[in-house]
Amino acid sequence: DAKTTQPPSMDCAEGRAANLPCNHSTISGNEYVYWYRQIHSQGPQYIIHGLKNNETNEMASLIITEDRKSSTLILPHATLRDTAVYYCIVRARWDSGGSNYKLTFGKGTLLTVNP
Amino acid sequence: EPEVTQTPSHQVTQMGQEVILRCVPISNHLYFYWYRQILGQKVEFLVSFYNNEISEKSEIFDDQFSVERPDGSNFTLKIRSTKLEDSAMYFCASSETGIRAFFGQGTRLTVV
Repeated sequence: DAKTTQPPSMDCAEGRAANLPCNHSTISGNEYVYWYRQIHSQGPQYIIHGLKNNETNEMASLIITEDRKSSTLILPHATLRDTAVYYCIVRARWDSGGSNYKLTFGKGTLLTVNP
Repeated sequence: EPEVTQTPSHQVTQMGQEVILRCVPISNHLYFYWYRQILGQKVEFLVSFYNNEISEKSEIFDDQFSVERPDGSNFTLKIRSTKLEDSAMYFCASSETGIRAFFGQGTRLTVV
């Protein structure tokens, strides 16, 4: 799976949008971008994933650049409960053959939402 | 939302003892995983399990480790002879299709 690069930490004011960047310049055509988060040593929590189109769900939006070499996770209205480590993970498509769907976690970005 | 349940939440064991960490995955899920996280470090993949057999394991998952799905609901991780360096949070995860994984809250294993 391709390597990702994320800033180690970011701050955001409560109620504002949090924009978390991720670089994945070596991503290949059969790899998806996933975002998970981990709140204070709890189990990681799935947020969103995408291939090349922008995606939105009830938690967040994912913007993937046209060349797919980077992406941004957007939390539209951050709350104190969004303080967590956010992981950007690149993973092979589940139908690409040979994939066992494991996730390879990096160090992530510690997002601190301030009151 | 359905949950992955792990027990116990905290286990303290003496070095050299065997421990079994238990997980109840979400009921219709087919893919099961164990991960661990040593304090202050990254979440690391240990093993994936599908169709009643191991589908992939990491270098960490050596002969001291084993997994089992003893019945239709439980998924266990056994460490045969624990070492101090096995102290970590152990997370179980499950997935219906492999696309999205649901993680449990973890078992904190402390080896003394």
